[in-house]
Amino acid sequence: DTAVSQTPKYLVTQMGNDKSIKCEQNLGHDTMYWYKQDSKKFLKIMFSYNNKELIINETVPNRFSPKSPDKAHLNLHINSLELGDSAVYFCASSQRSGGRGETQYFGPGTRLLVL
Amino acid sequence: AQSVTQPDIHITVSEGASLELRCNYSYGATPYLFWYVQSPGQGLQLLLKYFSGDTLVQGIKGFEAEFKRSQSSFNLRKPSVHWSDAAEYFCAVGQGFSGGYNKLIFGAGTRLAVHP
Repeated sequence: DTAVSQTPKYLVTQMGNDKSIKCEQNLGHDTMYWYKQDSKKFLKIMFSYNNKELIINETVPNRFSPKSPDKAHLNLHINSLELGDSAVYFCASSQRSGGRGETQYFGPGTRLLVL
Repeated sequence: AQSVTQPDIHITVSEGASLELRCNYSYGATPYLFWYVQSPGQGLQLLLKYFSGDTLVQGIKGFEAEFKRSQSSFNLRKPSVHWSDAAEYFCAVGQGFSGGYNKLIFGAGTRLAVHP
């Protein structure tokens, strides 16, 4: 049983296109996240949702729009893709109640390549 | 601002040798610290975490880490490395927000290569 799953695993697309990445967790967690890992392997948070409510929104271009239909799902839609969006995008989830000590569980990542 | 520094970008060790990966943090309050491992083409797996109590923390796969407040460090160690330990290792600090929310601030990672 996969705890945090993402689809697709690989995504190759042209500049200017719009694409979505889906994430689902079956851990019963309240909070979900999107992280971006760039070509140098640096990981940075993009968004966090708690029970469908946006709670963290780092300085991310508004071409990126997260959507949480329910607390088990957090999707990431990207409009007008640019070359610099090429990266690995990780979804994660955690319980909210533990605060900053709470473990975040990561999905396998979606490797996005924009041509 | 909170930050995590991993001074070593790349480390190579021989199989069976001991390992220490360095991590230094900058955080105003008591830090909540994590080590994650990323195998090639995979997601991140938690190795261990520290948030209170004993400063020597045991994790999975035979790893341990020691929290040293005076040095602002949380170094990861393993007494005998296996070839399967070759991966990218990330140190992170948990930054909390009101309401019990948190985000992870990651270091740049250390890539570990293991020679047979």
